[in-house]
Amino acid sequence: GAVVSQHPSRVICKSGTSVKIECRSLDFQATTMFWYRQFPKKSLMLMATSNEGSKATYEQGVEKDKFLINHASLTLSTLTVTSAHPEDSSFYICSASGRTYNEQFFGPGTRLTVL
Amino acid sequence: GQQLNQSPQSMFIQEGEDVSMNCTSSSIFNTWLWYKQDPGEGPVLLIALYKAGELTSNGRLTAQFGITRKDSFLNISASIPSDVGIYFCAGYNQAGTALIFGKGTTLSVSS
Repeated sequence: GAVVSQHPSRVICKSGTSVKIECRSLDFQATTMFWYRQFPKKSLMLMATSNEGSKATYEQGVEKDKFLINHASLTLSTLTVTSAHPEDSSFYICSASGRTYNEQFFGPGTRLTVL
Repeated sequence: GQQLNQSPQSMFIQEGEDVSMNCTSSSIFNTWLWYKQDPGEGPVLLIALYKAGELTSNGRLTAQFGITRKDSFLNISASIPSDVGIYFCAGYNQAGTALIFGKGTTLSVSS
């Protein structure tokens, strides 16, 4: 149990375009989903926390208008990187926790490359 | 804010050797988690610790929650090539709403 998927696994886009990344909990209801960003050989940096049906809480320094997060259902959260620039290139990882599980379970990550 | 200091930063060992890594903090944590991340993948939970002094095993892995609640260690016995990866310790922030990660220990195993 406790499987979290992400789609797409890799995406390459042109500068100025927007990219949507999906995070799904496959076998449990995720009341809370988290979005992280990871630079090469670095730790995970929490970007935002989202609870189903409410607005996401962003960490200090993360632009909420640039990184749009939607958590419309108990199994799906989306992260949209708007007007992407090369410096947005990174590994984005989501995680989910729910009533059944206290721990966070992580998705496999999405590698974003902005040209 | 709360920080986790993880060491060593990297380790290069021979197959069959035992490994030990640890995490410390100046703050008290009520939960310690150990994750492993393979290249290009998300972290996978290895062991979760909830009580001070708790010692928990998962196969060849053993982790302990320090009595002071400010530290934890992870041991891997008889390492094998598939143990290669980055190991992260993590704990919940004071509000209990988000995970704080250590900087990771990169493990390399040569056969």
